[in-house]
Amino acid sequence: SQQGEEDPQALSIQEGENATMNCSYKTSINNLQWYRQNSGRGLVHLILIRSNEREKHSGRLRVTLDTSKKSSSLLITASRAADTASYFCATDAGGGSQGNLIFGKGTKLSVKP
Amino acid sequence: GAGVSQSPSNKVTEKGKDVELRCDPISGHTALYWYRQSLGQGLEFLIYFQGNSAPDKSGLPSDRFSAERTGGSVSTLTIQRTQQEDSAVYLCASSPLAGVTDTQYFGPGTRLTVL
Repeated sequence: SQQGEEDPQALSIQEGENATMNCSYKTSINNLQWYRQNSGRGLVHLILIRSNEREKHSGRLRVTLDTSKKSSSLLITASRAADTASYFCATDAGGGSQGNLIFGKGTKLSVKP
Repeated sequence: GAGVSQSPSNKVTEKGKDVELRCDPISGHTALYWYRQSLGQGLEFLIYFQGNSAPDKSGLPSDRFSAERTGGSVSTLTIQRTQQEDSAVYLCASSPLAGVTDTQYFGPGTRLTVL
């Protein structure tokens, strides 16, 4: 069953602008991850934030997590055309979950040069 | 180092035929996962192998789907009597630890088209 819901489904911006994507989930979690997918093929892990963390940075990426609202956001600053891809949030099922990730449907980001 | 590899990269088959998809995980990774992604959708969990334990098959959509992992390394996903709705990209991932939800390393996927 689907755990995460990304918002918006699609986002189109100009190079240099910031892109913000949001994710909501339904159950308690141990951590939340963001992945990137180019052209419908393999996913690349971007960042993992644990349930006791509120914010995390990695290069041009900033992720926030609000467990009270069961939501997360991914901010890409100073976007580049090469950032064009689909972005997915993924969560575990919480508690003693066995490890498989539950993905949302993704946000399709288009960065125009 | 070598990442997760999958073969074939593309597979076109006729309805009713059986197909086998292969995944070579990163060496030493204990956990291996299969996911399916239909066009424009998120990933759907299929099956999870954790070391030598019995696999978690809870995501398999029907008994036409099966998977095995030999020697704790290579995995094969088999779809019997394929149907058109089986058309999707099948993604394999591995992670170093079992029983812990951590970073998963994905292969490039196999795009299956059932005519």
